[in-house]
Amino acid sequence: EAAVTQSPRNKVAVTGGKVTLSCNQTNNHNNMYWYRQDTGHGLRLIHYSYGAGSTEKGDIPDGYKASRPSQENFSLILELATPSQTSVYFCASGTGKGDTQYFGPGTRLLVL
Amino acid sequence: QQQVRQSPQSLTVWEGETAILNCSYEDSTFDYFPWYWQFPRESPALLIAIRPVSNKKEDGRFTIFFNKREKKLSLHITDSQPGDSATYFCAARMSNYNVLYFGSGTKLTVEP
Repeated sequence: EAAVTQSPRNKVAVTGGKVTLSCNQTNNHNNMYWYRQDTGHGLRLIHYSYGAGSTEKGDIPDGYKASRPSQENFSLILELATPSQTSVYFCASGTGKGDTQYFGPGTRLLVL
Repeated sequence: QQQVRQSPQSLTVWEGETAILNCSYEDSTFDYFPWYWQFPRESPALLIAIRPVSNKKEDGRFTIFFNKREKKLSLHITDSQPGDSATYFCAARMSNYNVLYFGSGTKLTVEP
């Protein structure tokens, strides 16, 4: 069973503050993804990575940075958080082309 | 521009009935179509998937019907159970890329 963990699980931030969301996977998957989920929009891809040192922009990258320092870890960084970034953020990992994506438990972020 | 569209947004059926969830897509280069389901307060998980070489994929009570010419697919859930109540996401993967485009989801409620 794929294991993807996220921290923190819940976060309250202030507008203009810096927020870092962390994701760890223990299954040696090459690919990792960050999504946000909002009512009516489903899952929207923010950034993804094909391996350590690589990051790629997804559909909605504005206002977000990503970092993949190792095979296991993938972070999402909000340098200047805004209330519009209030959402549930999911990290996922996968082995590659066509394979299943395994999702973490999610992080609920509230930006006041 | 939404690559994957789902309908209806919400659907209620009685226990034992067949639920039909619809999905359509824009890009003919999509070559893999997974359906994910998500229970309240949980993360999405893969339910069933199909590739365009087939027009039907069955797994127990869950069946995907695929129409490549019309760029449409549907998920049929026969003998629906209250435990099937969840949000169902249709997704599509573009050939040669390891990213998924998700629809906005259909919330299914199965009444006992």
